[in-house]
Amino acid sequence: DAGVTQSPTHLIKTRGQQVTLRCSPKSGHDTVSWYQQALGQGPQFIFQYYEEEERQRGNFPDRFSGHQFPNYSSELNVNALLLGDSALYLCASSFGQIEAFFGQGTRLTVV
Amino acid sequence: DQQVKQNSPSLSVQEGRISILNCDYTNSMFDYFLWYKKYPAEGPTFLISISSIKDKNEDGRFTVFLNKSAKHLSLHIVPSQPGDSAVYFCAASDSNNNDMRFGAGTRLTVKP
Repeated sequence: DAGVTQSPTHLIKTRGQQVTLRCSPKSGHDTVSWYQQALGQGPQFIFQYYEEEERQRGNFPDRFSGHQFPNYSSELNVNALLLGDSALYLCASSFGQIEAFFGQGTRLTVV
Repeated sequence: DQQVKQNSPSLSVQEGRISILNCDYTNSMFDYFLWYKKYPAEGPTFLISISSIKDKNEDGRFTVFLNKSAKHLSLHIVPSQPGDSAVYFCAASDSNNNDMRFGAGTRLTVKP
């Protein structure tokens, strides 16, 4: 079992560009959540996908959008990147309300 | 809004002694609490959890205590080992929402 895998591991983008991050959940998990972790802070909830629909959303602008595919994998899209979007983006998968398992994260740097 | 707070950014203990990490929350709707451990360049790893119907949950060297009236929980690690050195995050959720709220983390250093 590969656990939760995220790609890419590192990414550098220019302000104003768009980025797509990918996540494959742990085998057997049907729910995917995305978090943003800025330096020195805890993970901040962005949104959660279940049955290919956004089920819950945190306090993030519409520039942040996502998608879940029939195989439960997920993408996080961020449009019109700002310098402040530089962070570690974490994907977590779970089955129901059971504890979430995290991937290693994607380090996004916006220059 | 900081609904989950870890007021100690760092903690240093000697190997073999007890480590106590603290966490406070403000939202009385939270009914499930978790602790995650994070090593550099890795994602957070689930450690232990507790439901609001309990006040203690134990798993080997790790015990989590919940004081609902004080809206406070703590993680005890006994005995502490150098391999426990990591950043520990406290998280909370409620049954009606599906997001977890995290504290800012406490960096634990266990000295040999």
